[in-house]
Amino acid sequence: AQRVTQPEKLLSVFKGAPVELKCNYSYSGSPELFWYVQYSRQRLQLLLRHISRESIKGFTADLNKGETSFHLKKPFAQEEDSAMYYCALRTQGAQKLVFGQGTRLTINP
Amino acid sequence: GAGVSQSPSNKVTEKGKDVELRCDPISGHTALYWYRQRLGQGLEFLIYFQGNSAPDKSGLPSDRFSAERTGESVSTLTIQRTQQEDSAVYLCASTQPLGGGHEQYFGPGTRLTVT
Repeated sequence: AQRVTQPEKLLSVFKGAPVELKCNYSYSGSPELFWYVQYSRQRLQLLLRHISRESIKGFTADLNKGETSFHLKKPFAQEEDSAMYYCALRTQGAQKLVFGQGTRLTINP
Repeated sequence: GAGVSQSPSNKVTEKGKDVELRCDPISGHTALYWYRQRLGQGLEFLIYFQGNSAPDKSGLPSDRFSAERTGESVSTLTIQRTQQEDSAVYLCASTQPLGGGHEQYFGPGTRLTVT
């Protein structure tokens, strides 16, 4: 079965430091990968998807099929980046998303 | 425009009672999803609607769970004879018609507590 693993439940970094949230997946086909974010008292929303190959709020993520990873990175963390981050996978032909357990990112001043 | 809405926002029920959770998707969104999020865990897929039909019900955990959608709009998730393990946040999401990029727009969720 398809699976998404986010090994860190909690991640804390200082403002201005680089941040990397790890995501690994298990799926033998061609995946579509997403990062969703939930800020405090807000609803879950899409941050970025791998097919867009774009940078959103300074975040980037590269799909590495060899390592089956889709890590989220930002070179200089900001306090407003504090949130819950979820990595999600959509398999070929499916509509549902398979989510990881999430990483709570805290940016310390 | 208005986003996905869900009601009630909170529901406390006694074990053994039935509950109905409602989702109003974004107007024009043909696909609708239900997910469940237990405390400290990720989102768990329950069911997917395309229009009024449900081609993927694979995530429904037992026959106590059912869902329907009418008028290609509102959806209701029903849990019969609730158990304490049903306590979770139930999230609904919708997407544009196929080819719209597949971004799922989430509602605020319904927090269900079974006592």
